[in-house]
Amino acid sequence: SAVISQKPSRDICQRGTSLTIQCQVDSQVTMMFWYRQQPGQSLTLIATANQGSEATYESGFVIDKFPISRPNLTFSTLTVSNMSPEDSSIYLCSVVSISEAFFGQGTRLTVV
Amino acid sequence: GQQLNQSPQSMFIQEGEDVSMNCTSSSIFNTWLWYKQEPGEGPVLLIALYKAGELTSNGRLTAQFGITRKDSFLNISASIPSDVGIYFCAGPISSGSARQLTFGSGTQLTVLP
Repeated sequence: SAVISQKPSRDICQRGTSLTIQCQVDSQVTMMFWYRQQPGQSLTLIATANQGSEATYESGFVIDKFPISRPNLTFSTLTVSNMSPEDSSIYLCSVVSISEAFFGQGTRLTVV
Repeated sequence: GQQLNQSPQSMFIQEGEDVSMNCTSSSIFNTWLWYKQEPGEGPVLLIALYKAGELTSNGRLTAQFGITRKDSFLNISASIPSDVGIYFCAGPISSGSARQLTFGSGTQLTVLP
């Protein structure tokens, strides 16, 4: 298994501002994943963060809104840009070991 | 895209009762994963299934990978208050590298004392 540290654990932000979420893994991994979980909903994949190349975004998510960095094999950041109340969600990073995915504790974002 | 249909959406049970929830899909999955999420936490992996027909236990939890590879169920026996949480099934997205997951809608479990 992998130990994933995510911060901040929660934040309340003003609309129009941006928040960067950090994800640190205790081992080197090829791919890291960012998910969004809207209130009362399941998890939806935002993008795959690849080290050394641009992130791969899922349908409905764009780089301008959710820029991602992956400077090395143990760290990634997700930025939620120009936030609106509709961005209020839990954001989770994840890594996969063999075929099993492990998650950070999530960042609970509230946009006011 | 691939969708996992999970049911029931919520369950209210008495402590000590057994629980069963399931996931179905119109697509074949090669892996089924079951997660539990507690408030303020990320999902935690409970059981992973890799072969059609496989039946795997983890303490009071038992999960099976359906023969058709289009369904899976999770059973919890003799429920206790700490079983409260949201349970998700998940499987790899076929269009991805088999590492990105798609999730069911979740089953919210409440255990009454």
